[in-house]
Amino acid sequence: DQQVKQNSPSLSVQEGRISILNCDYTNSMFDYFLWYKKYPAEGPTFLISISSIKDKNEDGRFTVFLNKSAKHLSLHIVPSQPGDSAVYFCAASVQGAQKLVFGQGTRLTINP
Amino acid sequence: EAQVTQNPRYLITVTGKKLTVTCSQNMNHEYMSWYRQDPGLGLRQIYYSMNVEVTDKGDVPEGYKVSRKEKRNFPLILESPSPNQTSLYFCASSHLLPGHRTVSYTFGSGTRLTVV
Repeated sequence: DQQVKQNSPSLSVQEGRISILNCDYTNSMFDYFLWYKKYPAEGPTFLISISSIKDKNEDGRFTVFLNKSAKHLSLHIVPSQPGDSAVYFCAASVQGAQKLVFGQGTRLTINP
Repeated sequence: EAQVTQNPRYLITVTGKKLTVTCSQNMNHEYMSWYRQDPGLGLRQIYYSMNVEVTDKGDVPEGYKVSRKEKRNFPLILESPSPNQTSLYFCASSHLLPGHRTVSYTFGSGTRLTVV
C-alpha cells in the first residue's frame, strides 16, 4: 500500500518558468512532509519541509504548499534553473517517529 | 564533514554468492536504515536500527540481514543474492531537523548492485 504517491514519473519545464511537483498521501497521521532532491550517482539530499500546522513554507526559489483536506502537497520552483534537473522525492513522517515514508519520485528536466 | 559512507559504489555478483554492503556514519546518530530504490516504486525501507544491537524489519526485508554492533556501522548482508535484488541501495542516518519536530535523513551516495 503506497501511502505517499507521486503520480507523475517525469516533468519537463522550460528554464525560467515555474516547476510544480505534486504529491498525495493517504495516511492522515502524517504531520510532517519533506522534499528531497537526488542527482545521478548521489544520495538524496534534504530540500525543504512543511509541518501540517502550516499551509505554506518558502525557502528562496522553493515553496511547498500543503492542502490537508485534500491530502495533497506540491513543490513550486520559481524560476526553474538547469541545475534543478534531478529526481525529487516527497516524504512524510509522523511526529516523534524516526521513519520517513517516500513517494516514487518525479524526474524533473529543465530545458534551456 | 558529516557524512554517511557506503561501499562499494558498484557491485556485480552472481546468484547465491554472499555479499556485504558496508555503511558508516560519523555523526553519532542512533537511528540508521537501509532503503532500496527501484523504478516506479521509489525508496522502500529494508531494515532499520534504533541503536546498537537493536534492529528491525522495514517494508521489504526478505532476503536481507543487518547487524549493528557499533553505533557508527550498519552493514547490509545478502546471504544468497537473487536477480530480484538488483537495485540501487541507500544507507541513511536520522537526525532531528533543526527547528522542527521531525527527523530528516542523511543518505550515503548509494550502491548499485547487479545480481546475474
